[in-house]
Amino acid sequence: QKEVEQDPGPLSVPEGAIVSLNCTYSNSAFQYFMWYRQYSRKGPELLMYTYSSGNKEDGRFTAQVDKSSKYISLFIRDSQPSDSATYLCAMSQGAGSYQLTFGKGTKLSVIP
Amino acid sequence: NAGVTQTPKFQVLKTGQSMTLQCAQDMNHNSMYWYRQDPGMGLRLIYYSASEGTTDKGEVPNGYNVSRLNKREFSLRLESAAPSQTSVYFCASSEGSVSTQYFGPGTRLTVL
Repeated sequence: QKEVEQDPGPLSVPEGAIVSLNCTYSNSAFQYFMWYRQYSRKGPELLMYTYSSGNKEDGRFTAQVDKSSKYISLFIRDSQPSDSATYLCAMSQGAGSYQLTFGKGTKLSVIP
Repeated sequence: NAGVTQTPKFQVLKTGQSMTLQCAQDMNHNSMYWYRQDPGMGLRLIYYSASEGTTDKGEVPNGYNVSRLNKREFSLRLESAAPSQTSVYFCASSEGSVSTQYFGPGTRLTVL
């Protein structure tokens, strides 16, 4: 079983839709959870960063972490064509652990 | 403020040739990282440097060497390139282990 599982998609939605992206993980030691956005032929850029369980909102983006279920989600409201990218989840065990474990990424297309 | 820069952007090598990928950051970060990204495999950590003067292996270190030249620069060397090392290589930096990792634009390497 992979440490982090993420559906690669592709996921295609109409503009204005609510998008839900998810990852599951098996390592209960993960404490820090991130979502990165990667445009084609670019480096990943951080979208959301959360610690432990709970919700975090930033504009149209909401990140949820459920440690009891080992499940994290990213919601995008009012999706825009500019949101078309690959979304990567990443996790870390925390202080002293420098290694991020990434999901394989979900490719999202928002159709105008 | 350029963030994380990488050179070259593209490179084609023949099997057995050597090369060094260069990375520099201007954010005064302590920690630097080298990842490779392959289709269907996600981002995988090759080596990292927690602080100037230290380097450690990541998930896939075989066939690579690194040098933390100073606080700003972290290079990745392929001594004898193999077709299996065809990939996109990303450098990243962060203040510390639980801090956001900022990625460079990547180097696309093809080994024939």
